[in-house]
Amino acid sequence: DAGVTQSPTHLIKTRGQQVTLRCSPKSGHDTVSWYQQALGQGPQFIFQYYEEEERQRGNFPDRFSGHQFPNYSSELNVNALLLGDSALYLCASSRSTGRAEKLFFGSGTQLSVL
Amino acid sequence: GDSVTQMEGPVTLSEEAFLTINCTYTATGYPSLFWYVQYPGEGLQLLLKATKADDKGSNKGFEATYRKETTSFHLEKGSVQVSDSAVYFCALSDRGNQFYFGTGTSLTVIP
Repeated sequence: DAGVTQSPTHLIKTRGQQVTLRCSPKSGHDTVSWYQQALGQGPQFIFQYYEEEERQRGNFPDRFSGHQFPNYSSELNVNALLLGDSALYLCASSRSTGRAEKLFFGSGTQLSVL
Repeated sequence: GDSVTQMEGPVTLSEEAFLTINCTYTATGYPSLFWYVQYPGEGLQLLLKATKADDKGSNKGFEATYRKETTSFHLEKGSVQVSDSAVYFCALSDRGNQFYFGTGTSLTVIP
């Protein structure tokens, strides 16, 4: 059973560019969350998708947007990249049933903005 | 708002030493509490969880007890191994939507 898979693993962009990161959730999971993990910090919640809609959003600007497809996979888009967007971007999947559902994380996409 | 504060690192211990990593939380509701571990070059993995007051989560020799009176969820292990070297994150979730993570505590165990 494949876990959460993310692509690409590494990415280098320049300021002002746009980037798209992709995530396939663990089999049986219908909810995808995105987190940003800066170096030496804990993951920060960006947003969560369920039933192809953004269900909840953290404190991130509108430059960060996402999408969920009918097969539950998801994309994270970041426009007008800033140097401060350099971080590890983690996708996490879970099931929507019940509370305290644990998150399963992918290995992340390391984004470097030059 | 909800938040998690965990012990600053890094922590260096000798093999077989006792480990405690402190974690306290602030939450408006009744959150579930988690410890995640991140091994070098890997994503975060769930280590253990507790969903209500006085619950004890345990896994791989690690334990943590949900203490509502002190709003704490400290991670403990009686005898650490070199293979336990990793970064440990305390986290909370209210209703399972948004998770709040601490800043992480790096643990290095030396033989």
